[in-house]
Amino acid sequence: AQSVTQLGSHVSVSEGALVLLRCNYSSSVPPYLFWYVQYPNQGLQLLLKYTTGATLVKGINGFEAEFKKSETSFHLTKPSAHMSDAAEYFCAVRTYGKYGNKLVFGAGTILRVKS
Amino acid sequence: NAGVTQTPKFRVLKTGQSMTLLCAQDMNHEYMYWYRQDPGMGLRLIHYSVGEGTTAKGEVPDGYNVSRLKKQNFLLGLESAAPSQTSVYFCASSYSNLKQIGDNNEQFFGPGTRLTVL
Repeated sequence: AQSVTQLGSHVSVSEGALVLLRCNYSSSVPPYLFWYVQYPNQGLQLLLKYTTGATLVKGINGFEAEFKKSETSFHLTKPSAHMSDAAEYFCAVRTYGKYGNKLVFGAGTILRVKS
Repeated sequence: NAGVTQTPKFRVLKTGQSMTLLCAQDMNHEYMYWYRQDPGMGLRLIHYSVGEGTTAKGEVPDGYNVSRLKKQNFLLGLESAAPSQTSVYFCASSYSNLKQIGDNNEQFFGPGTRLTVL
Protein backbone atom coordinates (compact mmCIF):
# COMPACT_ATOMS: atom_id res chain seq x y z
CA ALA A 1 0.00 0.00 0.00
CA GLN A 2 1.14 3.50 -0.73
CA SER A 3 1.76 5.99 2.08
CA VAL A 4 3.36 9.37 2.69
CA THR A 5 5.36 10.75 5.61
CA GLN A 6 6.02 14.44 6.00
CA LEU A 7 8.86 15.19 8.39
CA GLY A 8 8.09 18.15 10.60
CA SER A 9 4.58 19.37 11.28
CA HIS A 10 5.87 22.96 11.54
CA VAL A 11 8.72 24.64 9.71
CA SER A 12 9.77 28.22 10.36
CA VAL A 13 12.08 30.20 8.06
CA SER A 14 13.07 33.82 7.68
CA GLU A 15 11.97 35.81 4.68
CA GLY A 16 14.52 35.29 1.92
CA ALA A 17 15.80 32.00 3.33
CA LEU A 18 15.65 28.59 1.69
CA VAL A 19 12.46 26.62 2.13
CA LEU A 20 12.78 22.84 2.45
CA LEU A 21 9.75 20.69 3.21
CA ARG A 22 10.39 16.97 3.43
CA CYS A 23 8.28 14.17 2.04
CA ASN A 24 9.04 10.46 1.93
CA TYR A 25 6.77 7.97 0.29
CA SER A 26 6.15 4.27 0.26
CA SER A 27 4.95 2.67 -2.93
CA SER A 28 5.09 -0.78 -4.46
CA VAL A 29 4.65 0.65 -7.95
CA PRO A 30 6.19 3.64 -9.72
CA PRO A 31 4.65 6.53 -7.83
CA TYR A 32 2.76 9.57 -8.95
CA LEU A 33 3.53 12.29 -6.40
CA PHE A 34 1.93 15.63 -5.68
CA TRP A 35 2.43 18.71 -3.54
CA TYR A 36 -0.61 20.77 -2.62
CA VAL A 37 -0.74 24.09 -0.76
CA GLN A 38 -3.56 25.27 1.49
CA TYR A 39 -3.81 28.93 2.43
CA PRO A 40 -5.83 29.82 5.54
CA ASN A 41 -9.54 29.11 5.18
CA GLN A 42 -9.17 27.90 1.62
CA GLY A 43 -9.17 24.61 -0.24
CA LEU A 44 -6.11 22.83 -1.56
CA GLN A 45 -4.31 24.03 -4.66
CA LEU A 46 -1.91 21.96 -6.72
CA LEU A 47 1.68 23.21 -6.55
CA LEU A 48 3.34 20.57 -8.70
CA LYS A 49 3.27 16.89 -9.56
CA TYR A 50 5.59 14.14 -10.68
CA THR A 51 4.28 11.44 -12.98
CA THR A 52 7.04 10.24 -15.30
CA GLY A 53 10.05 11.78 -17.03
CA ALA A 54 12.19 14.53 -15.56
CA THR A 55 12.82 14.02 -11.86
CA LEU A 56 13.09 17.75 -11.10
CA VAL A 57 9.63 19.22 -11.26
CA LYS A 58 8.92 22.92 -11.28
CA GLY A 59 5.68 24.27 -9.93
CA ILE A 60 3.92 27.53 -9.30
CA ASN A 61 5.19 30.38 -7.13
CA GLY A 62 8.85 29.39 -7.56
CA PHE A 63 8.57 25.99 -5.87
CA GLU A 64 10.19 22.85 -7.17
CA ALA A 65 10.57 19.26 -6.04
CA GLU A 66 12.94 16.48 -6.92
CA PHE A 67 11.91 12.85 -7.16
CA LYS A 68 14.65 10.61 -5.77
CA LYS A 69 13.77 6.98 -6.19
CA SER A 70 16.80 5.71 -4.25
CA GLU A 71 15.78 7.78 -1.23
CA THR A 72 12.00 7.41 -1.78
CA SER A 73 11.75 11.16 -1.34
CA PHE A 74 9.98 14.06 -2.99
CA HIS A 75 11.14 17.11 -1.03
CA LEU A 76 9.75 20.55 -1.84
CA THR A 77 12.09 23.52 -2.07
CA LYS A 78 12.08 27.22 -2.81
CA PRO A 79 15.31 29.25 -2.88
CA SER A 80 13.92 32.35 -1.20
CA ALA A 81 10.89 32.41 1.07
CA HIS A 82 8.30 35.13 0.78
CA MET A 83 5.78 36.14 3.40
CA SER A 84 2.99 35.01 1.07
CA ASP A 85 4.35 31.43 1.20
CA ALA A 86 3.03 31.01 4.73
CA ALA A 87 0.53 28.16 4.41
CA GLU A 88 0.11 24.45 5.02
CA TYR A 89 1.68 22.09 2.51
CA PHE A 90 0.59 18.54 1.79
CA CYS A 91 2.46 15.81 -0.01
CA ALA A 92 0.36 13.08 -1.63
CA VAL A 93 0.89 9.82 -3.51
CA ARG A 94 -1.53 8.19 -5.90
CA THR A 95 -2.76 4.75 -4.92
CA TYR A 96 -4.44 2.16 -7.07
CA GLY A 97 -7.69 0.70 -5.83
CA LYS A 98 -10.39 -1.63 -6.99
CA TYR A 99 -12.68 1.23 -7.98
CA GLY A 100 -10.03 3.54 -9.33
CA ASN A 101 -7.17 5.65 -8.17
CA LYS A 102 -7.10 7.74 -5.04
CA LEU A 103 -4.70 10.13 -3.36
CA VAL A 104 -3.16 9.42 0.04
CA PHE A 105 -2.07 12.58 1.82
CA GLY A 106 0.61 13.22 4.39
CA ALA A 107 -0.26 14.91 7.67
CA GLY A 108 0.83 18.30 6.37
CA THR A 109 3.56 20.81 7.21
CA ILE A 110 2.72 24.33 8.32
CA LEU A 111 5.24 26.82 6.96
CA ARG A 112 5.80 30.03 8.90
CA VAL A 113 7.78 32.86 7.34
CA LYS A 114 9.34 35.40 9.70
CA SER A 115 10.06 38.94 8.66
CA ASN B 1 -16.18 28.39 -14.58
CA ALA B 2 -16.88 28.24 -10.88
CA GLY B 3 -14.80 25.06 -10.48
CA VAL B 4 -15.78 23.08 -7.39
CA THR B 5 -18.28 24.66 -5.05
CA GLN B 6 -19.52 23.47 -1.67
CA THR B 7 -22.55 24.39 0.37
CA PRO B 8 -22.86 25.29 3.14
CA LYS B 9 -19.59 26.93 4.20
CA PHE B 10 -20.30 26.57 7.91
CA ARG B 11 -22.72 24.53 9.95
CA VAL B 12 -23.32 23.74 13.60
CA LEU B 13 -25.29 20.62 14.48
CA LYS B 14 -26.45 19.00 17.67
CA THR B 15 -25.62 15.35 18.30
CA GLY B 16 -28.10 13.14 16.49
CA GLN B 17 -29.15 15.67 13.88
CA SER B 18 -28.80 14.95 10.19
CA MET B 19 -27.55 17.05 7.32
CA THR B 20 -26.39 16.91 3.73
CA LEU B 21 -23.36 18.63 2.27
CA LEU B 22 -23.55 19.47 -1.41
CA CYS B 23 -20.64 19.50 -3.82
CA ALA B 24 -20.99 20.71 -7.38
CA GLN B 25 -18.47 20.90 -10.22
CA ASP B 26 -18.83 22.45 -13.65
CA MET B 27 -15.73 20.93 -15.27
CA ASN B 28 -17.47 17.79 -16.56
CA HIS B 29 -15.24 15.65 -14.33
CA GLU B 30 -15.99 11.98 -14.04
CA TYR B 31 -14.53 11.46 -10.58
CA MET B 32 -15.50 13.11 -7.32
CA TYR B 33 -14.27 12.70 -3.74
CA TRP B 34 -15.18 13.65 -0.19
CA TYR B 35 -12.40 14.17 2.36
CA ARG B 36 -12.30 15.26 5.96
CA GLN B 37 -9.41 17.27 7.35
CA ASP B 38 -8.44 17.07 10.99
CA PRO B 39 -5.39 18.69 12.65
CA GLY B 40 -2.25 16.60 12.31
CA MET B 41 -3.97 13.97 10.18
CA GLY B 42 -3.94 15.48 6.71
CA LEU B 43 -6.87 14.68 4.47
CA ARG B 44 -8.63 11.35 4.77
CA LEU B 45 -10.88 10.02 2.06
CA ILE B 46 -14.45 9.32 3.16
CA HIS B 47 -16.17 8.19 -0.05
CA TYR B 48 -15.61 8.71 -3.72
CA SER B 49 -17.35 8.23 -7.03
CA VAL B 50 -15.97 7.13 -10.37
CA GLY B 51 -19.03 8.18 -12.31
CA GLU B 52 -22.70 9.07 -12.18
CA GLY B 53 -24.62 6.52 -10.17
CA THR B 54 -21.53 4.91 -8.61
CA THR B 55 -19.94 5.33 -5.20
CA ALA B 56 -17.20 3.59 -3.24
CA LYS B 57 -15.86 3.67 0.32
CA GLY B 58 -12.65 5.41 1.22
CA GLU B 59 -10.54 5.23 4.38
CA VAL B 60 -13.12 6.53 6.88
CA PRO B 61 -16.64 5.85 5.54
CA ASP B 62 -18.44 5.00 8.80
CA GLY B 63 -21.23 7.39 9.73
CA TYR B 64 -21.47 8.89 6.24
CA ASN B 65 -23.45 8.14 3.11
CA VAL B 66 -23.08 9.57 -0.37
CA SER B 67 -25.01 9.81 -3.59
CA ARG B 68 -24.09 10.75 -7.17
CA LEU B 69 -27.38 11.05 -8.99
CA LYS B 70 -26.04 13.64 -11.41
CA LYS B 71 -22.55 13.82 -12.83
CA GLN B 72 -21.97 17.33 -11.57
CA ASN B 73 -23.16 16.78 -7.99
CA PHE B 74 -21.83 14.65 -5.14
CA LEU B 75 -23.76 14.69 -1.87
CA LEU B 76 -22.38 13.72 1.55
CA GLY B 77 -24.91 12.82 4.22
CA LEU B 78 -24.65 12.49 7.96
CA GLU B 79 -27.68 10.58 9.25
CA SER B 80 -26.97 11.01 12.96
CA ALA B 81 -24.18 13.46 13.64
CA ALA B 82 -21.63 12.78 16.38
CA PRO B 83 -19.03 15.09 17.95
CA SER B 84 -16.32 12.95 16.33
CA GLN B 85 -17.56 14.23 12.98
CA THR B 86 -16.57 17.78 13.82
CA SER B 87 -14.16 18.54 11.01
CA VAL B 88 -13.56 20.46 7.83
CA TYR B 89 -14.95 18.65 4.81
CA PHE B 90 -13.49 19.04 1.35
CA CYS B 91 -14.90 17.93 -1.94
CA ALA B 92 -12.67 17.35 -4.95
CA SER B 93 -13.07 16.26 -8.54
CA SER B 94 -10.79 15.01 -11.29
CA TYR B 95 -11.12 14.43 -15.00
CA SER B 96 -9.48 11.06 -15.21
CA ASN B 97 -8.86 8.41 -12.64
CA LEU B 98 -7.59 5.73 -14.95
CA LYS B 99 -4.34 3.90 -14.51
CA GLN B 100 -2.84 5.30 -17.67
CA ILE B 101 0.55 6.75 -18.35
CA GLY B 102 0.30 10.48 -18.70
CA ASP B 103 -3.27 10.82 -17.56
CA ASN B 104 -4.15 13.99 -15.80
CA ASN B 105 -4.89 12.88 -12.29
CA GLU B 106 -4.97 16.33 -10.73
CA GLN B 107 -7.74 16.77 -8.20
CA PHE B 108 -9.46 20.14 -7.92
CA PHE B 109 -10.69 21.07 -4.47
CA GLY B 110 -13.62 23.07 -3.20
CA PRO B 111 -13.25 25.72 -0.46
CA GLY B 112 -14.44 23.42 2.32
CA THR B 113 -17.29 23.15 4.81
CA ARG B 114 -16.54 23.66 8.47
CA LEU B 115 -18.85 21.45 10.53
CA THR B 116 -19.17 21.52 14.30
CA VAL B 117 -21.21 18.89 16.13
CA LEU B 118 -22.08 19.78 19.72
